[in-house]
Amino acid sequence: DTGVSQDPRHKITKRGQNVTFRCDPISEHNRLYWYRQTLGQGPEFLTYFQNEAQLEKSRLLSDRFSAERPKGSFSTLEIQRTEQGDSAMYLCASSPLTSQGTEAFFGQGTRLTVV
Amino acid sequence: GQSLEQPSEVTAVEGAIVQINCTYQTSGFYGLSWYQQHDGGAPTFLSYNALDGLEETGRFSSFLSRSDSYGYLLLQELQMKDSASYFCAVSGGGKLIFGQGTELSVKP
Repeated sequence: DTGVSQDPRHKITKRGQNVTFRCDPISEHNRLYWYRQTLGQGPEFLTYFQNEAQLEKSRLLSDRFSAERPKGSFSTLEIQRTEQGDSAMYLCASSPLTSQGTEAFFGQGTRLTVV
Repeated sequence: GQSLEQPSEVTAVEGAIVQINCTYQTSGFYGLSWYQQHDGGAPTFLSYNALDGLEETGRFSSFLSRSDSYGYLLLQELQMKDSASYFCAVSGGGKLIFGQGTELSVKP
């Protein structure tokens, strides 16, 4: 296993367009997280899954954001009607259930630029 | 809600010891983790404390005081490659909440 992978690594889109990112976690990890990070800031929690169930979604997340993990394996994060403020690095992480979320393994992220 | 505070930046010289502090306010606390992130890279796990006391992993140690809602990361024998951002993160309810990060600059 090569770790958490994210696709694409970079995405440039025009304001108002929809974008979708994919995350493939470490295969035996039950938990999958999405974070957003802007320059000079820490990763900001967006949502997380335990297997296919979405257990929590940040109150900061607008209705334009949706995430799925249909079979408890890979996950997608969709942003509809993108805005310039959505420009950020979107990080995916996974962890085994036994770690209680204490040790998460991150992917390299998808850098989104909205122009 | 949850909040964490850590210094925004620290500078130290090669070979020295540096301590990065973290205070937190959270409900449902399970443990305090530390992550390292180099420019352009992904955060990588360094250390974790669930109980009070010191955990040592090579040159890095982490400390937790649950009663004080306080922890720190101690980096010894600093090397140039340790220049990076360091984040404390609290876990609770299955998710990790990160602090704003401390940028460590190691000078020759």
